[in-house]
Amino acid sequence: DIVLTQSPALAVSLGQRATISCKTNQNVDYYGNSYMHWYQQKPGQQPKLLIYLASNLASGIPARFSGRGSGTDFTLTIDPVEADDTATYFCQQSRNLPRTFGGGTKLELK
Amino acid sequence: EVKLLESGGGLVQPGGSMRLSCAASGFTFTDFYMNWIRQPAGKAPEWLGFIRNKAKGYTTEYNPSVKGRLTISRDNTQNMLYLQMNTLRAEDTATYYCAGNDNYFDYWGQGVMVTVSS
Repeated sequence: DIVLTQSPALAVSLGQRATISCKTNQNVDYYGNSYMHWYQQKPGQQPKLLIYLASNLASGIPARFSGRGSGTDFTLTIDPVEADDTATYFCQQSRNLPRTFGGGTKLELK
Repeated sequence: EVKLLESGGGLVQPGGSMRLSCAASGFTFTDFYMNWIRQPAGKAPEWLGFIRNKAKGYTTEYNPSVKGRLTISRDNTQNMLYLQMNTLRAEDTATYYCAGNDNYFDYWGQGVMVTVSS
């Protein structure tokens, strides 16, 4: 299985930039695409897709969210952070089966 | 509007079985791979498996962590997705979600809670 590693928590101030990282133990690139995706989950809710294929903004997601990376190193950036962004963020790969998720990064406000 | 609505959760005895359902609406069901994903409280989601779309013959793939105990099926006439899971253990306690698509999951249900306990 492909293992995805995220830092457990991150604290940022309102209006600042948050950068959340996800590292994989195998390359998730294939034929020009990076099969890495990002989700936001708030307590009591289902995960919501933010970014797909490493850098594509999902429908309805504000442009404050962006994703980049390739190979084994990926980042989700929120700039500027708003109060509503406090949540847990998960990365997920679809390069191989089984699909796997990172452990999640909890974003808190300073 | 896309809607996915799970049902069938609750308290199950260890060693028992469960069957979850997911009612889909608002999209062409047969075009989509459909997944089951679970999430224990306070932990990361775990993909359980999917059933492919019509173009791919509705074949299935499962996570080896649960393979042998899990069956995913679909009724395309009713736009329904099912999960049958057997020999349940305490560690199967989680919220179970159905989700649409193959690579990334852009449609999710609200989830149904399953508790395995005596």
